[in-house]
Amino acid sequence: DVKVTQSSRYLVKRTGEKVFLECVQDMDHENMFWYRQDPGLGLRLIYFSYDVKMKEKGDIPEGYSVSREKKERFSLILESASTNQTSMYLCASSPGGMVWYFGAGTRLSVL
Amino acid sequence: GQNIDQPTEMTATEGAIVQINCTYQTSGFNGLFWYQQHAGEAPTFLSYNVLDGLEEKGRFSSFLSRSKGYSYLLLKELQMKDSASYLCAVKGNAGNMLTFGGGTRLMVKP
Repeated sequence: DVKVTQSSRYLVKRTGEKVFLECVQDMDHENMFWYRQDPGLGLRLIYFSYDVKMKEKGDIPEGYSVSREKKERFSLILESASTNQTSMYLCASSPGGMVWYFGAGTRLSVL
Repeated sequence: GQNIDQPTEMTATEGAIVQINCTYQTSGFNGLFWYQQHAGEAPTFLSYNVLDGLEEKGRFSSFLSRSKGYSYLLLKELQMKDSASYLCAVKGNAGNMLTFGGGTRLMVKP
């Protein structure tokens, strides 16, 4: 079974902290994605990556950055967390075509 | 740009049939997906349509009309475990990305 693992299910951080959300997939997928999910707004794409060291902005990249040093790992970074970044963050990976696999999500609260 | 609309909430009775609609306006189209997401869990794949018509998979069916920018997910013989959010997503022309609607929260009552 494909596994997309997000390092934390719940995180509580303070405003201004630097926050790292980690995502690891075990199926050698080239494509990885970070979404945030908010009630009524669905999943919105923050950043994605097609290959190691490659990144592309999604629909809402402001306030976020990403890192993909190894194929299996895609990290989302909040340089200076703010309360409006309180959300559920979902990582996904895909080999291409019509197949996507999602992690269980990290619920981040910024106080 | 992409715009995908679906109802926010629906309620149905155990054993009944429910249809969840999704309309989309996109700059390109390479397929429409339906995902199921139980509270606190990852979205899981339900169906994929790229050509017009109905795709049936057990109790779940999905329909697509590309000319109308319209899809629906049909759930038959509803069970309590079908209470979940149902996410409609479109794959556009711009690379290997999915754009999601806001999701429909379905509550199944006894």
